[in-house]
This record gives sequence, C-alpha cells and structure tokens, in this order.
Amino acid sequence: NAGVTQTPKFQVLKTGQSMTLQCAQDMNHNSMYWYRQDPGMGLRLIYYSASEGTTDKGEVPNGYNVSRLNKREFSLRLESAAPSQTSVYFCASSVDRAIDAEAFFGQGTRLTVV
Amino acid sequence: TQLLEQSPQFLSIQEGENLTVYCNSSSVFSSLQWYRQEPGEGPVLLVTVVTGGEVKKLKRLTFQFGDARKDSSLHITAAQPGDTGLYLCAGSNSGYALNFGKGTSLLVTP
Repeated sequence: NAGVTQTPKFQVLKTGQSMTLQCAQDMNHNSMYWYRQDPGMGLRLIYYSASEGTTDKGEVPNGYNVSRLNKREFSLRLESAAPSQTSVYFCASSVDRAIDAEAFFGQGTRLTVV
Repeated sequence: TQLLEQSPQFLSIQEGENLTVYCNSSSVFSSLQWYRQEPGEGPVLLVTVVTGGEVKKLKRLTFQFGDARKDSSLHITAAQPGDTGLYLCAGSNSGYALNFGKGTSLLVTP
C-alpha cells in the first residue's frame, strides 16, 4: 500500500529559486496537510486542506503557496526559496478532521536552500 | 495555536528501565494523539485518547489523558532498543489540523 507519497525525497535549491513539492494519497482521504519539521521546533503546520477545493493557512504559511489539485493531490510551492526554508517537509492526510481521525504521513522531503 | 509542551526533551536510558513522557497544555482538548517517529520516516500514530481520565495500554506502553483534558502522559515499561525514536503528542481543540508538541527524543541502549 502506497499511502502518502511525497516527491522528491531530497532537494537542494539556490536562494531565489522556485520549486513545487508534490504529495499524493491513495486512501480516499478528504483532508490533507503540509508540515515542516526543524530541529527543536517539532512539526509546524504550513497549510491544510479540509476538503477538495478548500485550503487554509496554518501556523507558518509565509513564503509558501498550496494547491489542492484534486482529492488525491496537494502540492506545496516555494516561489522564491530562502535559507530559512531549509527543513524537512511532511505531507499528511486523514479521512476527515484530524481531530477525529488518524493522520497518515509521507516519508518527507529534505530541502536545503543554499 | 494551542501550545503543547513536552518533557523531557531528551531521554537516554538503558534497556529494561521504565520511563514517562509528559505532554502539557493550558488549553482543553477534545482529544490528544501520540505519534512515534523513527529517523528518516514520518510520524506514525500510536494512540488517540478522548475521555478525561482515560487510560489506554498498547503492550508495554500506557497512555493517560488527564481528568481536565489538558495533559497526557506516556509510560513505557521495560524499555527496549526498538522503542528508540521521537515521541510526539498532538491535539486539535476545534480545528481541522493537528498541532504538535516539540517531541521527546528517546534513546534506549542495550
């Protein structure tokens, strides 16, 4: 079972470059999320999509945009990468509201901005 | 953002020892979840606690939700090297997304 698939797994960007992190889930989940994980900071929510066609800001949305392309896919875009965006990015999904349901995570994308 | 404080931040113990990890908040949660994350992987759900005072057991792991639903604890009995990892508590009071604590990094040495 694939679950939540993130691509790429590793990426190095130069400051100012743009890129899109891809996420797809095959569990027919309604809700999808993007988190970043930094040492000593835990997981911080960037954006989430409660259902297809809706997106909302999380705790740290600045410098990011998202697109809920369809029920399966939720992408995260960095328009102009900055060194402060060096992090491990996790996509997650849940059947419905995460408060009530288990969140399933991808394996992460390790991004370095130089 | 409801703040979830976890303690201790780091824990290094020997195989066979017992340990307790805490997750505290000033906010009331309708439920709290505990996740375990291994290096290079995403977090995986261990348990969800819903009722104040609830105790759930998962083999050698015991999870408790505080009576006031503001805190939770994870107790591991006779820790094994396979228990090594990052333990995260998470909650969401009314929103759609989970907020996570910073985690407790556990190292169990043989």
